[in-house]
Amino acid sequence: KAGVTQTPRYLIKTRGQQVTLSCSPISGHRSVSWYQQTPGQGLQFLFEYFSETQRNKGNFPGRFSGRQFSNSRSEMNVSTLELGDSALYLCASSMRVEAGELFFGEGSRLTVL
Amino acid sequence: GESVGLHLPTLSVQEGDNSIINCAYSNSASDYFIWYKQESGKGPQFIIDIRSNMDKRQGQRVTVLLNKTVKHLSLQIAATQPGDSAVYFCAEARGELIFGQGTELSVKP
Repeated sequence: KAGVTQTPRYLIKTRGQQVTLSCSPISGHRSVSWYQQTPGQGLQFLFEYFSETQRNKGNFPGRFSGRQFSNSRSEMNVSTLELGDSALYLCASSMRVEAGELFFGEGSRLTVL
Repeated sequence: GESVGLHLPTLSVQEGDNSIINCAYSNSASDYFIWYKQESGKGPQFIIDIRSNMDKRQGQRVTVLLNKTVKHLSLQIAATQPGDSAVYFCAEARGELIFGQGTELSVKP
């Protein structure tokens, strides 16, 4: 069974630009969560989607948004990028919402210059 | 605010020894905890979980202990191997997962 796939793996943007990251969950998993990982703040929850509905949202500004499609694939978008948005963005899928066992992808590493 | 935290950012052990990674939490109402392992360049990987109605749970070469009195949990890895070298995170499930800062385990051959 294929794991969680995230694209792109690496990207470089400049301040003020926007970025869209994509996540394909494990087949059959309907919940997709997004986390931001930085050396200073560690792993922080962004949002969770289940059956195309946002079920939970972390404490991030409105510049961070996401969506989920009918095939459970998910995208997250960050608009008006700031230097502090440089991070590893991790997507995780699970069979049910608010699960403890998440299956993470390898992440998309975003660098903002 | 309430948080989940680890005691030590780094831990170095000899191959074959047992490793113990500690974690403290502050929310007395917390009832579900999970340990994850993150190898370099990869996403976190689920290791083992434990609910508050248990004090101990064992997996393959790993044991998680939960002490609700002092709000502490630990991950014990038996016969540590080089492949165990990674960053280990404890997490508390509150809907989403609240992760601790992580302990980097280095295994010396």
